Amino acid sequence: ELKVEQNPLFLSMQEGKNYTIYCNYSTTSDRLYWYRQDPGKSLESLFVLLSNGAVKQEGRLMASLDTKARLSTLHITAAVHDLSATYFCAVDFLYPMDSNYQLIWGAGTKLIIKP
Amino acid sequence: DAGVTQSPTHLIKTRGQQVTLRCSPKSGHDTVSWYQQALGQGPQFIFQYYEEEERQRGNFPDRFSGHQFPNYSSELNVNALLLGDSALYLCASSWYGQGASGYTFGSGTRLTVV
Repeated sequence: ELKVEQNPLFLSMQEGKNYTIYCNYSTTSDRLYWYRQDPGKSLESLFVLLSNGAVKQEGRLMASLDTKARLSTLHITAAVHDLSATYFCAVDFLYPMDSNYQLIWGAGTKLIIKP
Repeated sequence: DAGVTQSPTHLIKTRGQQVTLRCSPKSGHDTVSWYQQALGQGPQFIFQYYEEEERQRGNFPDRFSGHQFPNYSSELNVNALLLGDSALYLCASSWYGQGASGYTFGSGTRLTVV
């Protein structure tokens, strides 16, 4: 079964602290994505990770991908209130029958950052 | 640059009714994927259209159907609406075979079934 698991599902933290969100997936893929979603809004692409060992950083967020461990992390450094949102990871699985991908999503991590 | 356009933005329907949601892809994209996102959950893949054909389908009943037009725009139809169909419906456009690395999401249609 194709599964993408995130943890934690809920995270409340103080401004200025560091934390990491984890994303595990169940089968081989080297294409993983992180999205942000604000309440009632659509999805905003944060990071596209397309190879083992890929690391990308944008501001206080850094994402990495370990395809051998089937694990990606989203690290938050010195959190600020504006980063409060729900964060999703999603993995592209390649279906050999039609050489196309299907995107499988984690359940999301709701992040609340308190002043 | 025109991104992905979805209409309507909000919709309220009664149980048993039928609904049609529309998606215009980003210029140059030929593939449209539809997702359902229930409140507090991650998106669930409904289906994907390319060359006016359904190419992949998620675990959704036949009440969910779609169509793609020659201009690459797409419709999602849901028949015999249930309360559980209340969700945010998102479409994403891309080039076929590109996967989500080329996704552009629309702003979604919020469907409420009462």
